[in-house]
Amino acid sequence: EVQLVESGGGLVQPGRSLKLSCAASGFTFSNYYMAWVRQAPKKGLEWVATISTSGSRTYYPDSVKGRFTISRDNAKSSLYLQMNSLKSEDTATYYCARHRTNYFDYWGQGVMVTVSS
Amino acid sequence: DIQMTQSPSSLPASLGERVTISCRASQGISNNLNWYQQKPDGTIKPLIYYTSNLQSGVPSRFSGSGSGTDYSLTISSLEPEDFAMYYCQQDASFPRTFGGGTKLELK
Repeated sequence: EVQLVESGGGLVQPGRSLKLSCAASGFTFSNYYMAWVRQAPKKGLEWVATISTSGSRTYYPDSVKGRFTISRDNAKSSLYLQMNSLKSEDTATYYCARHRTNYFDYWGQGVMVTVSS
Repeated sequence: DIQMTQSPSSLPASLGERVTISCRASQGISNNLNWYQQKPDGTIKPLIYYTSNLQSGVPSRFSGSGSGTDYSLTISSLEPEDFAMYYCQQDASFPRTFGGGTKLELK
């Protein structure tokens, strides 16, 4: 059974950093692109980042480019999201997702990040 | 960036009713259109991928169609567990983008 379990969320002050983790199991992690998708309170879904199988290619929307970094450790079947220079508009639930060819086929339960002073 | 416009944003419906949700892309996306369901507890699962392919385990009352810029999700006969949020998403190009969502509510 595919499982994606996020951790590392919490309350952080504006301008500070936070690193999210996603532990994957139930599939060969190194064979799949992975992604982060977020959802601000009472809002829709927003794609945040995608990483290739080896980690050599990463993709971001302009809203987080230069501030967020997606990475992975295939030996540990783990995905990460380093978030720097956090803003109040980054407050959201962050979901880890398997980015299969053309769609997100498995999602974690999400982890909440609150950016507030 | 490709903008995805979903309609309606809210859809009151009754058990057993047939409903359709629409999604329009700001440019052609060559059938790279997916549908997701989100339950009130936040759980998200894919329903349809590449316009019309049913995700494994999803009931056959769900179907998708469309081409070019216009796509739709149809639920043939609503069951109690179908009342949830629905999102379309294009996977044609980066940045990947989602529609604003449709809340399917019990009438």
